[in-house]
Amino acid sequence: AQSVTQLDSQVPVFEEAPVELRCNYSSSVSVYLFWYVQYPNQGLQLLLKYLSGSTLVKGINGFEAEFNKSQTSFHLRKPSVHISDTAEYFCAVSERNQGGKLIFGQGTELSVKP
Amino acid sequence: GAGVSQSPRYKVTKRGQDVALRCDPISGHVSLYWYRQALGQGPEFLTYFNYEAQQDKSGLPNDRFSAERPEGSISTLTIQRTEQRDSAMYRCASSQTHGTGELFFGEGSRLTVL
Repeated sequence: AQSVTQLDSQVPVFEEAPVELRCNYSSSVSVYLFWYVQYPNQGLQLLLKYLSGSTLVKGINGFEAEFNKSQTSFHLRKPSVHISDTAEYFCAVSERNQGGKLIFGQGTELSVKP
Repeated sequence: GAGVSQSPRYKVTKRGQDVALRCDPISGHVSLYWYRQALGQGPEFLTYFNYEAQQDKSGLPNDRFSAERPEGSISTLTIQRTEQRDSAMYRCASSQTHGTGELFFGEGSRLTVL
């Protein structure tokens, strides 16, 4: 079985500052890793995913994440955030080839202040 | 359609009543998923379909919950004899295939059981 821990429930940050949202997972099998974003009153949207290959993954809206197998982490980063990045961010894991059956973390609320 | 459509968006019902939640996936998407999201939590997997076949229903909490997708397109999640603990946001998602996890989520159906 897999599990996901998002280490921060809320992250306040000023506009144009860098941000890192932390995610750790546990699994006894090989996994795929994902970050989804949820804007208010909308459905979840895929930001980026790691399936295989390069451990640095780039996604939409300037976000990137790095898969670290030894630390079982998949932290999300952005060098300079905008007000429009204010949203809830979910890290998720799935078994390989079971990419639609996701185990989500509890979410991190990113609040970008002017 | 252009996106995943769910109805109703909001449903308030009395304990003991049956409810049916509908999901219309993106046209041509093979896989369809149901998730449930409690307040302050990440989505939790319930069940998924490839075409009309229910492939995995391991996340359904008990036998009051059932889902169908009879023609491989629209799906209905039915909850019989609702209880207060069933109150949550129910999210539907679809994907082109099951394996690589790019899910497209609808806006959800918020169920409140009084």
